[in-house]
Amino acid sequence: GQQLNQSPQSMFIQEGEDVSMNCTSSSIFNTWLWYKQEPGEGPVLLIALYKAGELTSNGRLTAQFGITRKDSFLNISASIPSDVGIYFCAGLTHTSGTYKYIFGTGTRLKVLA
Amino acid sequence: DTGVSQNPRHKITKRGQNVTFRCDPISEHNRLYWYRQTLGQGPEFLTYFQNEAQLEKSRLLSDRFSAERPKGSFSTLEIQRTEQGDSAMYLCASSYREVGGYTFGSGTRLTVV
Repeated sequence: GQQLNQSPQSMFIQEGEDVSMNCTSSSIFNTWLWYKQEPGEGPVLLIALYKAGELTSNGRLTAQFGITRKDSFLNISASIPSDVGIYFCAGLTHTSGTYKYIFGTGTRLKVLA
Repeated sequence: DTGVSQNPRHKITKRGQNVTFRCDPISEHNRLYWYRQTLGQGPEFLTYFQNEAQLEKSRLLSDRFSAERPKGSFSTLEIQRTEQGDSAMYLCASSYREVGGYTFGSGTRLTVV
């Protein structure tokens, strides 16, 4: 199935560092979501973006809806050990008469204390 | 409300056996989705219900797969004659808006041996 491209695939950072990751697509989306998934669990919604250019924060997390509507970015400031996990972007698509989200390939984050 | 509940959490089955998974969505959510996630990948859409009606099925959902949502409440996903390639995490999600974020369950991890 179709998946969005996320980069980097994985990253190791020191506790306290800022993190940036992005998600790109060849298609235009009208809604972007960012999820975090921990081992053995389902994804948990972090941030939802509904408008091109929108910048939304949730604590230390900030996400932006790209102007072209083909990309989105997630930043984590002052990382802590519990930020470890896989971060997925998701874009809302409308095909076969229904809306559904297509997910990215994920960015795996590891934080070194 | 305890969120989206999936059972069982883990299932190991022999190739050729049938398996059934259950999802209980958040009670006020009329939309229910099944996704499949293989190792190192993001979730991939399988099927979507609005109330009891199954409105879309992905091409990933072969004829060995069937999903139901009787009375628009819980949903079941059945896989007949399982194959090793069916090994994956099966995620259920629900929502009350078409374009809002989904709430995911913790998933059912299927291992076919």
